[in-house]
Amino acid sequence: TQLLEQSPQFLSIQEGENLTVYCNSSSVFSSLQWYRQEPGEGPVLLVTVVTGGEVKKLKRLTFQFGDARKDSSLHITAAQPGDTGLYLCAGADGGGSEKLVFGKGTKLTVNP
Amino acid sequence: NAGVTQTPKFQVLKTGQSMTLQCAQDMNHEYMSWYRQDPGMGLRLIHYSVGAGITDQGEVPNGYNVSRSTTEDFPLRLLSAAPSQTSVYFCASSYGGTGSPLHFGNGTRLTVT
Repeated sequence: TQLLEQSPQFLSIQEGENLTVYCNSSSVFSSLQWYRQEPGEGPVLLVTVVTGGEVKKLKRLTFQFGDARKDSSLHITAAQPGDTGLYLCAGADGGGSEKLVFGKGTKLTVNP
Repeated sequence: NAGVTQTPKFQVLKTGQSMTLQCAQDMNHEYMSWYRQDPGMGLRLIHYSVGAGITDQGEVPNGYNVSRSTTEDFPLRLLSAAPSQTSVYFCASSYGGTGSPLHFGNGTRLTVT
């Protein structure tokens, strides 16, 4: 069974600070996705990374896929209260299955 | 666009009762799935379907049944509710293929007393 470990589990910071969230596994994934979930809603896709070493930017969010495709990181620059939410990473094993394995999430709180 | 619609939004059951959680999508997605989300456990896959007439088990299938008679609908049935099934349930769909991004509904919060 493939597992994705996310860290930290909880993160509380002040507006304007930078932060990094990590998603690690001992397994190789063909692609990795990041989702954000707000209270009372379902997760919403932020980005998909496919190539080892790939870096994608979404405004103040930077996503990186590890060279070996076993890990990923999400870096937020100058966090804002609107960034508050649960961040989830999910991996696809590439064996032809559409199933995704999810990490347990990082709950981010950005205080004004 | 409606996307993925789940009903009901909230439900309280007594132990032993049965019920069906409804899920419908209007994006013509082939792949549909059910997850449960519990504190500290993340999202765990219950059942999934790669197309009408095809279903398979996920990580935590016990106590749940599914069927996929149409592309649009993917109901989840609780046969005999137990307190351990208290959770938030999410339905998700995608166009299919490895690593296709999921579109989630807004969840059903189920409490079993």
